[in-house]
Amino acid sequence: GDSVTQMEGPVTLSEEAFLTINCTYTATGYPSLFWYVQYPGEGLQLLLKATKADDKGSNKGFEATYRKETTSFHLEKGSVQVSDSAVYFCALSDRGGGADGLTFGKGTHLIIQP
Amino acid sequence: NAGVTQTPKFQVLKTGQSMTLQCAQDMNHNSMYWYRQDPGMGLRLIYYSASEGTTDKGEVPNGYNVSRLNKREFSLRLESAAPSQTSVYFCASSEVRTYHSPLHFGNGTRLTVT
Repeated sequence: GDSVTQMEGPVTLSEEAFLTINCTYTATGYPSLFWYVQYPGEGLQLLLKATKADDKGSNKGFEATYRKETTSFHLEKGSVQVSDSAVYFCALSDRGGGADGLTFGKGTHLIIQP
Repeated sequence: NAGVTQTPKFQVLKTGQSMTLQCAQDMNHNSMYWYRQDPGMGLRLIYYSASEGTTDKGEVPNGYNVSRLNKREFSLRLESAAPSQTSVYFCASSEVRTYHSPLHFGNGTRLTVT
């Protein structure tokens, strides 16, 4: 079945540091890929998405590129802020797998220190 | 624009009690979903409704029932609560049931079963 693997953390960085959160996936079909962010006490919010190979999703300074050859969708940001502290989820939706909804990774807790 | 609204926000039940979690969306979305979020497990799909009048099981449906009351509302019922159902429950919706359609989440219901 489909699965998503991501580093769980917590990942602790200083403000203005470079961020990478790794995400790799296994899918039976040709999935779309997503990053969601969850702030404390809230639901998940879509951060960015990519629907085909080599697509780059971007939003709020975050970027991720759909790499089919390495089955990866790593999240990056050049200079993190304290307000980026949250839990980040990588997810996929498999057009060929027949499943519905999204398959999520376990989430990466990011802590940014001033 | 409220998006996806869940009630209640918090609930404590005793083992064996029943309750219904309510979810409503005002975005005219066709598909709705119930997920549970547990530490170290990410989000797991309980049930989904691809369109009004249809429901299907997800990854972890045992112990739950759902009702798609109309296009706006999708409720989750626990008939006889168990401590293993202690979790945070999220309702989500999407415009259509396609692989690239992102999910919009409510803020969650935190349920404790003692």
